[in-house]
Amino acid sequence: DAKTTQPNSMESNEEEPVHLPCNHSTISGTDYIHWYRQLPSQGPEYVIHGLTSNVNNRMASLAIAEDRKSSTLILHRATLRDAAVYYCILRMYGGSQGNLIFGKGTKLSVKP
Amino acid sequence: DTEVTQTPKHLVMGMTNKKSLKCEQHMGHRAMYWYKQKAKKPPELMFVYSYEKLSINESVPSRFSPECPNSSLLNLHLHALQPEDSALYLCASSPTTGPGEKLFFGSGTQLSVL
Repeated sequence: DAKTTQPNSMESNEEEPVHLPCNHSTISGTDYIHWYRQLPSQGPEYVIHGLTSNVNNRMASLAIAEDRKSSTLILHRATLRDAAVYYCILRMYGGSQGNLIFGKGTKLSVKP
Repeated sequence: DTEVTQTPKHLVMGMTNKKSLKCEQHMGHRAMYWYKQKAKKPPELMFVYSYEKLSINESVPSRFSPECPNSSLLNLHLHALQPEDSALYLCASSPTTGPGEKLFFGSGTQLSVL
């Protein structure tokens, strides 16, 4: 199974950018990189996903390394509402491997 | 409508009870999922339905019985549960099971088994 490695926790100050790293050294060419977050007492929420190129949306940016062995989720200005567990997940074609399998994630704390 | 609605939000049941969890979406998605989440742990995949057919069962005990009566509804029937089955049960949907699709999650049913 292609797996991801994330720091257990990170801290940020409000209104500053946050860079959340993810290592996925065993990624294969057709694996998509997904990011979800889970706020306290809520279900997971989609943040962003990509295959090879960097991606931007209204919530965040995803920077993918040229060799695709790592990626970084960028929150441009952290707010208190961004405090959550952030999961970096690989999804691949075929069978159960294509399903969203959550790792331990990074717990992000945001200080006012 | 981009919501996945789960009912009930909270459920308390005894070990001899039979109960059902319900999940509904009206986004036209053809893939639906059940996850189980214990406190302070990541969600664990239980079942995947694709076009109303069960495609993945992640070795879940038979006391959990999923059902997909139509493309908008997903049920999880519970029978003879154990206290260790107490958890947050999450439903999700996506257009298909393709790896480039994003999942939409409900807010879950918090289940307590006494």
